[in-house]
Amino acid sequence: EVQLVESGGGFVQPGESLRLSCAGSGFTFTSYAMSWIRQAPGKGLEWVSTIRVNNFDKYYGDFAKGRFTVSRDNSKNMLYLQMNNLRGDDTAVYYCAKDGRAGASDSWGQGTLVTVSS
Amino acid sequence: EIVLTQSPAAVSLSPGERVTLSCRASQSVSTFLTWYQQKPGQAPRLLIYDASSRATGIPDRFSGSRSGTEFTLTISSLEPEDSAVYYCQQRSAWPSTFGQGSKLEIK
Repeated sequence: EVQLVESGGGFVQPGESLRLSCAGSGFTFTSYAMSWIRQAPGKGLEWVSTIRVNNFDKYYGDFAKGRFTVSRDNSKNMLYLQMNNLRGDDTAVYYCAKDGRAGASDSWGQGTLVTVSS
Repeated sequence: EIVLTQSPAAVSLSPGERVTLSCRASQSVSTFLTWYQQKPGQAPRLLIYDASSRATGIPDRFSGSRSGTEFTLTISSLEPEDSAVYYCQQRSAWPSTFGQGSKLEIK
């Protein structure tokens, strides 16, 4: 059974940093691209970033470019999202997801809440 | 950036009825269009990928189709558990984008 478990969320002040982690199990981690998707309270889904298996090809939403960095450790089946210079509008539940056929996110974690407030 | 526009924003129907949800892309996304279902307090669940392929374990009352840049998700006979928000997503071009969602309520 595929499992994705996010951690690292919390309460931070504007301008601070946070690193999210996602542990994958139950599948061959090294065979799949992985994504981060977020959801602000009461709002819709917003794609954040995708990283391919090679740990080189990385893609970001415009709001994330220059502030967020996605990475993965294939030896540990771990996905990360380093978030710097956080703003109030980054407040959201952050989900990690495994990308399958046609780029669809076919498995999701339970999400981790990031709250940015002074 | 490719914009996905979903309609209707919300709809309320009775069990057994049929519903069609629409997702219109601002430019071609080929068939790289995915549908998700999200219930309150839960992570999204993959329903349809590649515009019309059902994901593993998804009942056959869910179907997807494409006509140019217009995509539809059809639920042929509504069940009470289909009450949820439905999102489309394109992965044809970066950045990937989601539609704003369609809320389906089962009376």
